[in-house]
Parts: sequence; C-alpha cells; structure tokens
Amino acid sequence: AQKVTQAQTEISVVEKEDVTLDCVYETRDTTYYLFWYKQPPSGELVFLIRRNSFDEQNEISGRYSWNFQKSTSSFNFTITASQVVDSAVYFCALSEWGGADGLTFGKGTHLIIQP
Amino acid sequence: NAGVTQTPKFQVLKTGQSMTLQCAQDMNHNSMYWYRQDPGMGLRLIYYSASEGTTDKGEVPNGYNVSRLNKREFSLRLESAAPSQTSVYFCASKDSRLSGNTIYFGEGSWLTVV
Repeated sequence: AQKVTQAQTEISVVEKEDVTLDCVYETRDTTYYLFWYKQPPSGELVFLIRRNSFDEQNEISGRYSWNFQKSTSSFNFTITASQVVDSAVYFCALSEWGGADGLTFGKGTHLIIQP
Repeated sequence: NAGVTQTPKFQVLKTGQSMTLQCAQDMNHNSMYWYRQDPGMGLRLIYYSASEGTTDKGEVPNGYNVSRLNKREFSLRLESAAPSQTSVYFCASKDSRLSGNTIYFGEGSWLTVV
C-alpha cells in the first residue's frame, strides 16, 4: 500500500524567510510519480510539479525548488524568500507509474506567511 | 479553459436527503475521480472511473454511488446523506493512457449535512 506522510501540520514564518515542507512516502513500486499541489484559501487545488522515480535531479522554478531523494524516500519542497501569497495548504502526493489509480495524498501542510 | 467543472459549489442537506454532485471535463480525459477532503485528513479517494463504462471503489466508498454517464461526465450520488458526509468534494480527471499524466481538479463542492 502507498502512504505519504507530511509531518508538519502547520508552519508559520515571516515574509522573506526560506521555508521547507517535508514529504516522506512509502511504496512497494519501483517506478512511480510524485506530485506537489497548492491549495490557496480560495480552495482550488493547483498543480505545482510532477517528478518520476527515475529522475532525482533537483528542480528549481523561480522561488520554488524540490529535492527528491529516493534513498530516503523524500520529496521536499522549499520556498525561497517567502511571500504572503505563498500562504496555502500544500499537499504532497504519490501515484503509480501507469494505469488509472488515483493519487495518494499526504494530509497537507498549512503554510502561513506573516507580513 | 473550463477544465473540470463541478456543480453545485455549495449545498446544505438535511440528514436522510439525497443529492447528486455533477462533474464534467472537457479535456478528453479517459479517467475521472471523486475525492473528499476533511480537515486534517488530506484528500481521500471515494470512487474512480478508469474509462467510460467502468467504475471502481476507492478508499472511502461507503454511502456513495457513482455513474460514468459518458466520457465527459462522472456523477457522485449520496442516497441518504449523513452528517459524516459533510465535506468538500473534488472531482478530477486525467488521461491515464499516458504514464504519469497529471490529475486536474475541479474547484470543489462544499457540502454540509445537518
């Protein structure tokens, strides 16, 4: 069975600080995909990134970066120079390599950026 | 850019009433999903439809039924609503014919059962 753990329930930082959201996963599959979604206060789910299990290169997109380490089954998300607009709930999720099974989500981390 | 559209956005039901949540996607995706989101629980899969004509149970199917009406539409029905079904419901879709395709979500439906 697949499992995603986001141990940080809530994080509060002051604007411009860097913050890292942790994600640890469990799967018996050797190939799989990992995702991060953002849920702002308005409630919709916004796709941020997808990473396959073969690609352990770090990904950087503007102020966002992701660190995938297969050896520790972790897929952490860092926001550099945080902004108030980054305040949201962030979900890490796992899916099988192929097929139609849905995503397995972590319980989410509520990120609060204080001005 | 409609994507995944679900209705209604908000609904209040009395215990025992029935209702159907509607979902439609215009991305020609073959697979569709219904999730529920509860505080501190993340999103949990209720039912999914891998392709037109098929449906399968997810993690929390009890109390729900689904219908894949055609390729575009996937509805979720509560036959006799209970307060435990108070939640935010998300419909989603993806093209599962390609490996690792992203799942896209609707904007959510807030359901309160009193």
